[in-house]
Amino acid sequence: KQEVTQIPAALSVPEGENLVLNCSFTDSAIYNLQWFRQDPGKGLTSLLLIQSSQREQTSGRLNASLDKSSGRSTLYIAASQPGDSATYLCASGGSSNTGKLIFGQGTTLQVKP
Amino acid sequence: GAGVSQTPSNKVTEKGKYVELRCDPISGHTALYWYRQSLGQGPEFLIYFQGTGAADDSGLPNDRFFAVRPEGSVSTLKIQRTERGDSAVYLCASSLGPRGRVSYNEQFFGPGTRLTVL
Repeated sequence: KQEVTQIPAALSVPEGENLVLNCSFTDSAIYNLQWFRQDPGKGLTSLLLIQSSQREQTSGRLNASLDKSSGRSTLYIAASQPGDSATYLCASGGSSNTGKLIFGQGTTLQVKP
Repeated sequence: GAGVSQTPSNKVTEKGKYVELRCDPISGHTALYWYRQSLGQGPEFLIYFQGTGAADDSGLPNDRFFAVRPEGSVSTLKIQRTERGDSAVYLCASSLGPRGRVSYNEQFFGPGTRLTVL
């Protein structure tokens, strides 16, 4: 059974700092890995999707990497801003043939001005 | 274009009542998913539709939960004899769907329905 873990559960950094969020998964037979952002009381916004054949994806100040062999993914946020404050969730897709996502519990990020 | 929409945004009901939650996916998306998110937790998978059929309902907690997608577009999640433990945010997501052996496509989520069972 796939298990996804995110550490740390919460993180507070000063504005402008570069930071890394970690995600680990137990079953390396995944189809993809997706990173989401969730603002309080809101739904999930997709940030990046990494297919199993890819090593990384970039969008603006965000870069996500995937290492299937070690069961790890990281989300790198460059030059953090207060508007980046939110909960970040990673989810593994696959290891079955339905595409259902298995989520971690999230990392709540606070960027202080 | 329009994203995934869910109605109602909030639903308060009494224990033992029946509720229906609606999801309208992105036009053209054949895959539809329901998830449930409790406070402080990541979403948990409930059910997956490919077209009109439920391809995977392994996440439904018990037989009080049922979902339909009769025309392959809008889906309704139905909960009978609600219990206080059913209180959560119910999220719907859609994606383009599988393309043979190609990895599944990106899932796009709706804003959720917050269900409170008193």
